[in-house]
Amino acid sequence: KAGVTQTPRYLIKTRGQQVTLSCSPISGHRSVSWYQQTPGQGLQFLFEYFSETQRNKGNFPGRFSGRQFSNSRSEMNVSTLELGDSALYLCASSLGQGGVSQYFGPGTRLLVL
Amino acid sequence: GESVGLHLPTLSVQEGDNSIINCAYSNSASDYFIWYKQESGKGPQFIIDIRSNMDKRQGQRVTVLLNKTVKHLSLQIAATQPGDSAVYFCAEGPYGGSQGNLIFGKGTKLSVKP
Repeated sequence: KAGVTQTPRYLIKTRGQQVTLSCSPISGHRSVSWYQQTPGQGLQFLFEYFSETQRNKGNFPGRFSGRQFSNSRSEMNVSTLELGDSALYLCASSLGQGGVSQYFGPGTRLLVL
Repeated sequence: GESVGLHLPTLSVQEGDNSIINCAYSNSASDYFIWYKQESGKGPQFIIDIRSNMDKRQGQRVTVLLNKTVKHLSLQIAATQPGDSAVYFCAEGPYGGSQGNLIFGKGTKLSVKP
């Protein structure tokens, strides 16, 4: 069974631009969560989608948004990029029910210049 | 390579020795705990989990111990190998809850000397 995939793997943007990241969960997984990982803050939760609905949201500004499609694939968008948005963005998928064991993708490394 | 913390605690062990990585969790109401391993350039990888109705759980070469009295979690790796070199971090939260309810620790960097 294929793991969680994320595209692109690396991205360089400039301040003020916007970016869209994509995540394909493990087949059969209906929950997709997004995290931001930085050296200073560690792993921080952005949002979780389950069956195309946002089920939970972390403490991030409205510039960060996401969506989930009927095939469970998910995208997240960051508008008006700031230097501080440089981070590794991780996607994780799970069955979404019962235990919360989730499986992470390799991440998208975003650098904002 | 990937760095998940500029000032991560570091544990250095000799190949073949046992490793013990510790984690102090914050919420006494948490009833589900997970250990993850993150290698350089990769996403976190699930290692083992434990529910609060257990004190100990064993996997392949790994054991997780839970002490609810002092809110402490540990990961023991037997016969540590160079491939075990990575950052390890714990997560706590409610069992069956949303992923957003998980709280992740900052991590410990394990370095295995051949």
